[in-house]
Amino acid sequence: AQSVTQLDSQVPVFEEAPVELRCNYSSSVSVYLFWYVQYPNQGLQLLLKYLSGSTLVKGINGFEAEFNKSQTSFHLRKPSVHISDTAEYFCAVSDAGYGGSQGNLIFGKGTKLSVKP
Amino acid sequence: EAQVTQNPRYLITVTGKKLTVTCSQNMNHEYMSWYRQDPGLGLRQIYYSMNVEVTDKGDVPEGYKVSRKEKRNFPLILESPSPNQTSLYFCASSLDAYYEQYFGPGTRLTVT
Repeated sequence: AQSVTQLDSQVPVFEEAPVELRCNYSSSVSVYLFWYVQYPNQGLQLLLKYLSGSTLVKGINGFEAEFNKSQTSFHLRKPSVHISDTAEYFCAVSDAGYGGSQGNLIFGKGTKLSVKP
Repeated sequence: EAQVTQNPRYLITVTGKKLTVTCSQNMNHEYMSWYRQDPGLGLRQIYYSMNVEVTDKGDVPEGYKVSRKEKRNFPLILESPSPNQTSLYFCASSLDAYYEQYFGPGTRLTVT
C-alpha cells in the first residue's frame, strides 16, 4: 500500500521569495504523482502531474516539481511566490496500474502556504 | 463546460435524519470517488466506483452508502448521520483510477 508524507503542515513565506513544499511517498510499485491546490473555500485543482518521462514536471501558475525515485520524493517548487499563491497544497500518489491493484489516489495531509507581503 | 457538480453545497441537519448528497459529472468518466476533508487529516476516501454498478469501500466507509446506477451520477447517502460525520465532502471523477481526478466544489455538512 502507498502512503504520502508532506513534511511541513504550514509554510510561511514572503512575497517574491522562493518556496519548496516537500512530499515523500512510499510504494512497492511504480507510481503516478500529483500536486493539487485548494484555494480558500474552493475545491481541489490539479497543479501538475508525473506519469512518466522527464522527472522535472512543469505545472500551472509557475510551479514545478521533480520526481526523485531514489529518494521517493516529489517536491513542489516555485522561484517567486505571489500573495495569490496562498492556499493549501496536497501531494497525492497512485500506483501505476501494475499488479492488479486498484490504483486509487492517496493524499498527503496538506501543506498550508501562507504568502506575506 | 467540463465539470463535477455537487448538491447541496451547504447542509445543516440533525442526528439520524437521512440525507443524500448528489454528484454528477459531464465528462463521461468511468471512475468516481467520494472524499471527506477534515482539518489536519487531509482527504480520506470514503467510497469509489470503477464503473457503473461497481463500487467499493475506501479508507473510511463506515456510516456511508453509495450507488452508481448511471455513469454520470454517484450519490453519497448518509442513512443515519452522526455529529462525527460533520465534514467537507468532495466528489471527484477521472478517466480511470490511475489518472488525475477532477473535483467538485465541495459540500459542507454539519450534523447537530
